[in-house]
Amino acid sequence: DTEVTQTPKHLVMGMTNKKSLKCEQHMGHRAMYWYKQKAKKPPELMFVYSYEKLSINESVPSRFSPECPNSSLLNLHLHALQPEDSALYLCASSQALPAGGSGNTIYFGEGSWLTVV
Amino acid sequence: SQQGEEDPQALSIQEGENATMNCSYKTSINNLQWYRQNSGRGLVHLILIRSNEREKHSGRLRVTLDTSKKSSSLLITASRAADTASYFCAVSGGSYIPTFGRGTSLIVHP
Repeated sequence: DTEVTQTPKHLVMGMTNKKSLKCEQHMGHRAMYWYKQKAKKPPELMFVYSYEKLSINESVPSRFSPECPNSSLLNLHLHALQPEDSALYLCASSQALPAGGSGNTIYFGEGSWLTVV
Repeated sequence: SQQGEEDPQALSIQEGENATMNCSYKTSINNLQWYRQNSGRGLVHLILIRSNEREKHSGRLRVTLDTSKKSSSLLITASRAADTASYFCAVSGGSYIPTFGRGTSLIVHP
């Protein structure tokens, strides 16, 4: 089962709301990722978790707050977002962080479409 | 982190024809991956090729890597309407975290 599940599929939120995006995988993967993708643009890395610890934060504004409660779950907490934050948010996982040049296939979920009004 | 750049940005072909997309990058890499994305959907992993490999096949897909030219190509043979999608290359350098290029939009006309 190579599946990463994201909920909700669509989310509309006001600029003063607090909401969360959720991601789940049951492949035993120990690395999990959040990417942001604007229309007709490539996915941009936001955060990487390795063994439930934040490994990479690509200078993402603090209004985005990631959380990894356990090895299967990854959340992205949203607060005080701006309309320009509207995008497709993609969660992904891999067996581990790539090491030694071997690489690890990254599996993506279907994404959560976020609209900030 | 570096980024691959796909070429062409858009490609329109007839069903049954072959489609070739290219990806160029600037510095040395550890591996390069190709992904497909249908409109508004998640990314589907197609092939990973390591820096010490020159060619890999998967079904109708053939990927080549030329590290001397810092480029890779993805060939889809006997294309089908269902191959219509955006195709991204993602390169991994020192950090091993893939960085995506801007993608090639492929349209296959039935």
